Amino acid sequence: AQTVTQSQPEMSVQEAETVTLSCTYDTSENNYYLFWYKQPPSRQMILVIRQEAYKQQNATENRFSVNFQKAAKSFSLKISDSQLGDTAMYFCAYSTGANSKLTFGKGITLSVRP
Amino acid sequence: ETGVTQTPRHLVMGMTNKKSLKCEQHLGHNAMYWYKQSAKKPLELMFVYNFKEQTENNSVPSRFSPECPNSSHLFLHLHTLQPEDSALYLCASSQGDRFNTEAFFGQGTRLTVV
Repeated sequence: AQTVTQSQPEMSVQEAETVTLSCTYDTSENNYYLFWYKQPPSRQMILVIRQEAYKQQNATENRFSVNFQKAAKSFSLKISDSQLGDTAMYFCAYSTGANSKLTFGKGITLSVRP
Repeated sequence: ETGVTQTPRHLVMGMTNKKSLKCEQHLGHNAMYWYKQSAKKPLELMFVYNFKEQTENNSVPSRFSPECPNSSHLFLHLHTLQPEDSALYLCASSQGDRFNTEAFFGQGTRLTVV
């Protein structure tokens, strides 16, 4: 079975600084997708960034980028120039593509301090 | 606005009540999901529907009964729930037949069982 582990329950960062959120996963599959979702206090789960396992290049999306280490099964999210609106829970998730169902980690609460 | 609407946003029910959660998506997707989000636990997949057919039941107790009358609507019928069923219930949809599709989530229903 696939598992996703987020070992840090919460983190705090100063506005405009950079923060990295960690995620590891376990799978025997060779082809899969990894995601970071953001859940603000409004509770709406929003996709932040997506990485295809067969792509070596790390995905980037504006201030958000990932460090994907396939051999180590590690998938961290880096947020640059943190903004107050980045305050939210962040979930790492995995999908094999079968029905696109997602396996989630426990999430990490990120607080951006003004 | 992600196109997935859940009602009600909040629900308080007694253990002997019967209630239903509703989810509607306007994205033309053919897969819909119910997830349960409890405090300090990863999101748990409950049910998956593809083209109105249930393709996964993740060992969910029978007091939760899903219904998918068409690809745009998904219900979760609740009866004789327990206090430990109190949680945020999230509905999601996706294209379902593409490997790299993302899931779009509703804002969830906060359920409290008293």
